[in-house]
Amino acid sequence: EVQLVETGGGLIKPGGSLRLSCAASGLTVSGNFMSWVRQAPGKGLEWVSIMYSGGSTYYADSVKGRFVISRDNSKNTLYLQMNNLKVEDTAVYYCAGPRPHYFDYWGQGTLVIVSS
Amino acid sequence: EIVLTQSPATLSLSPGERATLSCRASQSVSNFLAWYQQKPGQAPRLLIYDASARATGIPARFSGSGSGTDFTLTISSLEPEDFALYYCQQRNNWPSWTFGQGTKVEVK
Repeated sequence: EVQLVETGGGLIKPGGSLRLSCAASGLTVSGNFMSWVRQAPGKGLEWVSIMYSGGSTYYADSVKGRFVISRDNSKNTLYLQMNNLKVEDTAVYYCAGPRPHYFDYWGQGTLVIVSS
Repeated sequence: EIVLTQSPATLSLSPGERATLSCRASQSVSNFLAWYQQKPGQAPRLLIYDASARATGIPARFSGSGSGTDFTLTISSLEPEDFALYYCQQRNNWPSWTFGQGTKVEVK
């Protein structure tokens, strides 16, 4: 059974940094296509970033240059380093995978609130 | 960026009725479209991918159709657990995936 567990969310001031983690079981992060998708409160879904199994990374324009996706194969964990956070980054952040184009498995999400 | 427009915003139906949800793309996405269901406080669940293929474990009452710019998700006979939010998502313009704004299926 695939399980994705996100942690690391919280309240942060604008301009601050936060690192989210997604611990996976039932699949290998390094062998799959793992994404971050976010959902602002009461709003729709927004794809944020993806790491391909080969290591290539891609970002939504809204976070390019501020967010960095990475993984630790030994811990089977995906990360999202979020820098220079803005109020509009406030959202539930989901980890999802394992296909490159559709999101079969999702974690329960972790809430990030950016507020002064 | 490909924009997906879902209609209607809200669909008010009774259990047992047929639900028809629409998703229109701003440009052709071929058949590279998926549908997700989301219930309050839960993560989305993949229902349909490649416009008409049901994901693992999805009941046969859910079906998808369409290609190009116009797509439909049909729930043949609504069960109580089907009242939820539904999103479409395109993969044609990768690596930039976009979602529609959602359709809420509520109890009439």
